[in-house]
Amino acid sequence: GAGVSQSPRYKVTKRGQDVALRCDPISGHVSLYWYRQALGQGPEFLTYFNYEAQQDKSGLPNDRFSAERPEGSISTLTIQRTEQRDSAMYRCASSLRRYTSTDTQYFGPGTRLTVL
Amino acid sequence: QQPVQSPQAVILREGEDAVINCSSSKALYSVHWYRQKHGEAPVFLMILLKGGEQKGHDKISASFNEKKQQSSLYLTASQLSYSGTYFCGTEIRGSNYKLTFGKGTLLTVNP
Repeated sequence: GAGVSQSPRYKVTKRGQDVALRCDPISGHVSLYWYRQALGQGPEFLTYFNYEAQQDKSGLPNDRFSAERPEGSISTLTIQRTEQRDSAMYRCASSLRRYTSTDTQYFGPGTRLTVL
Repeated sequence: QQPVQSPQAVILREGEDAVINCSSSKALYSVHWYRQKHGEAPVFLMILLKGGEQKGHDKISASFNEKKQQSSLYLTASQLSYSGTYFCGTEIRGSNYKLTFGKGTLLTVNP
């Protein structure tokens, strides 16, 4: 079946613009995670959802970052007033059940964000 | 709270073995191992849930020493396809089911 998909795959924007990154999880997956991955580094947790409820947003760097998953499926990560330091690969992952301990996270291909 | 992986990089010849370690300063509830090839998404290898648990996956296996708060990934008789960056993701007790990933170990297998 289809894996996790993300769009756009590449996004170039100017400093100060808002961007919206979309994640489409594997069908039926309850949990959805957002990560940021710098070159040569491991994924860095941003936030996650169980169904439509945002369970933890402690990894969001500041209040310019927000995420939603209104119907418990597709999720959008929004970055307002982008800055050059926001440039990174943004990855989404989903898992079938709610609890990380016992379940596999499947990663999407990511959105490469470049802020000029 | 980020786990520490060692070594940072390792180069092998096909058929050789390697061990990658992942250590945490906090008590761990689970350890997840992933492999990522250049330009691709991380791919799941295995989860270890209990202290002392060992799992195998073809010629790749892992152990979890809960007391020492560390996990090790063992790659035996390495193949060219094993090349990539290996990440451990650790779930700390009370962390609300979040994974924290290490910086990765770059494994290169040469013919």
